Amino acid sequence: DAGVTQSPTHLIKTRGQQVTLRCSPKSGHDTVSWYQQALGQGPQFIFQYYEEEERQRGNFPDRFSGHQFPNYSSELNVNALLLGDSALYLCASSRGGVQGSYNEQFFGPGTRLTVL
Amino acid sequence: AQSVTQLDSHVSVSEGTPVLLRCNYSSSYSPSLFWYVQHPNKGLQLLLKYTSAATLVKGINGFEAEFKKSETSFHLTKPSAHMSDAAEYFCVVSPLYSSASKIIFGSGTRLSIRP
Repeated sequence: DAGVTQSPTHLIKTRGQQVTLRCSPKSGHDTVSWYQQALGQGPQFIFQYYEEEERQRGNFPDRFSGHQFPNYSSELNVNALLLGDSALYLCASSRGGVQGSYNEQFFGPGTRLTVL
Repeated sequence: AQSVTQLDSHVSVSEGTPVLLRCNYSSSYSPSLFWYVQHPNKGLQLLLKYTSAATLVKGINGFEAEFKKSETSFHLTKPSAHMSDAAEYFCVVSPLYSSASKIIFGSGTRLSIRP
């Protein structure tokens, strides 16, 4: 089992550009969540996808959007990049969507985005 | 409303000595509490979780944490530190039956181990 994988590992963009980050969940998992981790801070929840729909969203602007594919993999898109978007973006997968108690999330190694 | 405070941004201990990483929380609901560890260039790994069962929770790699409602604390301990324990540790709070959007991570504690 490869666990949660993310690509690319590192990315450098300039202000105003757009970026797409990718995530493959752990085998057997159908739910993907995305987090932003700024330097020296804990991760902050961006949104969660289940059954190819955005089910929950944190306090992030519409510039942040996503997609989930039938094979449960997911993309995070960020438009009109700002310097403040520089961060480690983490993907986490779990089973069972948003129902019931907290389902343990398994995290990928992250994508380091630098905006110049 | 919920919040979590990790009281130390950096803790340094000698190998073989006890580890204490402190976490205080605030929650309007009955909380679930977690500790995650993050090694460099690796994803977050769940160490242990409290979900209203036993107040003393045992996790992986010899770590344990005690839920103290009266003190609103969930401190992480280990009797004897190992060099491989050097990492960033995050305390996390969530309502007991809830979903990802209400999960709050602390700002992290960096644990250093001296030989």
